[in-house]
Amino acid sequence: GAVVSQHPSWVICKSGTSVKIECRSLDFQATTMFWYRQFPKQSLMLMATSNEGSKATYEQGVEKDKFLINHASLTLSTLTVTSAHPEDSSFYICSARDRPAANYGYTFGSGTRLTVV
Amino acid sequence: QKEVEQDPGPLSVPEGAIVSLNCTYSNSAFQYFMWYRQYSRKGPELLMYTYSSGNKEDGRFTAQVDKSSKYISLFIRDSQPSDSATYLCAMTNTGNQFYFGTGTSLTVIP
Repeated sequence: GAVVSQHPSWVICKSGTSVKIECRSLDFQATTMFWYRQFPKQSLMLMATSNEGSKATYEQGVEKDKFLINHASLTLSTLTVTSAHPEDSSFYICSARDRPAANYGYTFGSGTRLTVV
Repeated sequence: QKEVEQDPGPLSVPEGAIVSLNCTYSNSAFQYFMWYRQYSRKGPELLMYTYSSGNKEDGRFTAQVDKSSKYISLFIRDSQPSDSATYLCAMTNTGNQFYFGTGTSLTVIP
């Protein structure tokens, strides 16, 4: 089946530093990738939609200058959390549509646990 | 009102029990309904999907959608300890934006 590889699986960083999270579609081309954030016992919150070769579309309330998204190729999207602060600590998950004709065909990455200290 | 409501649990059942997980929603335009399973510290994996109303069965899992009541269910028969996870419902009308429930934490006790 389709696989979305997400790295790193966990990262601890100091407050004020930047962290990059990578999301790769391994056996399919993903023109669109989605980035979510998940807090404990809460739903997945869509942060932005990443389109290959164009600027990402951010959801309301998500700071585009803080959460930089790059989708330079059909198989790679990155999320960079800039000047991270403890409140940015969360579980970040990407997903991509692996079946273009299906509205349910989304594969998720394994997630990245970010802890900012 | 949230788009999707899901009881977070936690739900604890003995092995072999029948588990019922539910979500309600407010947007009548939703057409695609999904259930994801998420193990601790992992991304969600698609378990089942249903289009519009009706039932769908896959092994021990049955998904039901009642669009008239805006209510969806996932039933797990003969539950196993390996079913212990958080189950998220999700729905969409266009496939471009998904709405997720908060997830229900399930523990199956051997």
